[in-house]
This record gives sequence, structure tokens and C-alpha cells, in this order.
Amino acid sequence: DTAVSQTPKYLVTQMGNDKSIKCEQNLGHDTMYWYKQDSKKFLKIMFSYNNKELIINETVPNRFSPKSPDKAHLNLHINSLELGDSAVYFCASSQFTSGSFLETQYFGPGTRLLVL
Amino acid sequence: GQNIDQPTEMTATEGAIVQINCTYQTSGFNGLFWYQQHAGEAPTFLSYNVLDGLEEKGRFSSFLSRSKGYSYLLLKELQMKDSASYLCAVRDQDNDMRFGAGTRLTVKP
Repeated sequence: DTAVSQTPKYLVTQMGNDKSIKCEQNLGHDTMYWYKQDSKKFLKIMFSYNNKELIINETVPNRFSPKSPDKAHLNLHINSLELGDSAVYFCASSQFTSGSFLETQYFGPGTRLLVL
Repeated sequence: GQNIDQPTEMTATEGAIVQINCTYQTSGFNGLFWYQQHAGEAPTFLSYNVLDGLEEKGRFSSFLSRSKGYSYLLLKELQMKDSASYLCAVRDQDNDMRFGAGTRLTVKP
């Protein structure tokens, strides 16, 4: 009955590989996000996506691509992994209501990625 | 540029009160959030302010002054389980969430 879930919890891989992280939410929310939390604990938004629009943070390399098979899922694909991609990646979801600012984001448990 | 600043670390005693400050400079303002993050876990929502003033929620309160670009999180009757990082986040005019680096709070007996 977890609200926002991510798999895998841990991912250790070699430089140059391609990997995916999955995210699912069962809250019925229409907007999902991916964040990267680096070693200094800064939490930076990478993507936000609802059924109408994908918003990409311009600092995110195009090796990173979100894929949404349906409203409840937003997976993160990473090509040609680099050492600097090592971080914790958090998925989050919220329900957008036009004219309202009450969009609390609910976070998944995080995926700890280590690139060797 | 956009900045969200909070102290890096704070220490307080069990049963005491602690105030964690946050100052921000962002492109527009659509609300300020406080999250709690225990080591190795995901952030969890604590509070939300969009208008000036104090929002109280049990042992936690959050204050906002938009004119000063300032907020604080007040934790009362501290418990050992309150030891965690506290993240200040501002939603900007594009509705993007901008997070501070977090304040690591250690509660001692």
C-alpha cells in the first residue's frame, strides 16, 4: 500500500552502461517528478511531467530521459552512465489543481545509484 | 540567481525548542515548504506557507515573511526522533520546487 514506490532501491553499475529506474504512484496524482540528491544533499529537480507536458530542467544531460507508460508511472532511463551520475534519485508525485497552490509532493523511498 | 539558504547543522536538547531559519531569493514565489528527511530516507512533508504569518501543526510551526524572503520552522518539545535533516523548499513562478541543502538537526538527551 506504498503511495510512491521506486525500484530498484540500490543500483551499482559500470560506467558506460544504460540503466532504468522505475517509479509508480497509487495516489491518483496527475503530476510526477524526478529529483537528484547529490553527495552534498542538494535536492535538484530533473523533470516534472503530467499528461499534458514534460518540463525538463535545462541542466539535465540528454542522457537522462523520462518515460511515462501511463499516469501512474514515470520511469527514468539513463544512457552511457558516468561517475558523476552517482547519487540518490527520488521520484515524487502531486495532484495539480489549477489556481491552487496546495500541491504537496509525496516522495518515493529513493534509488541509490553508484557508478563504478 | 536563485538561492535558498539554511544553516548546515544545529544541535538542541531533548525537550527544548529549536528554530531553523531559511532565507530565499527566487524567480517569483508560489509557496514555501518544509520537509523532514531522516538519514537514508525520502523527504516527508511537514508544512506549507503561502501567506505571511505562522502556521501551527502540533509540535511544529512554520512562519513566513514574503517581503523579507524569510521563513523559519519551529520545533517544540524536541524528541530524539526529531534528529533529521530539515529541507526548506520554495516553489517559484514556473512552479518548480527549489530546495535548500537542508539543516541537519541533532537532538541530544
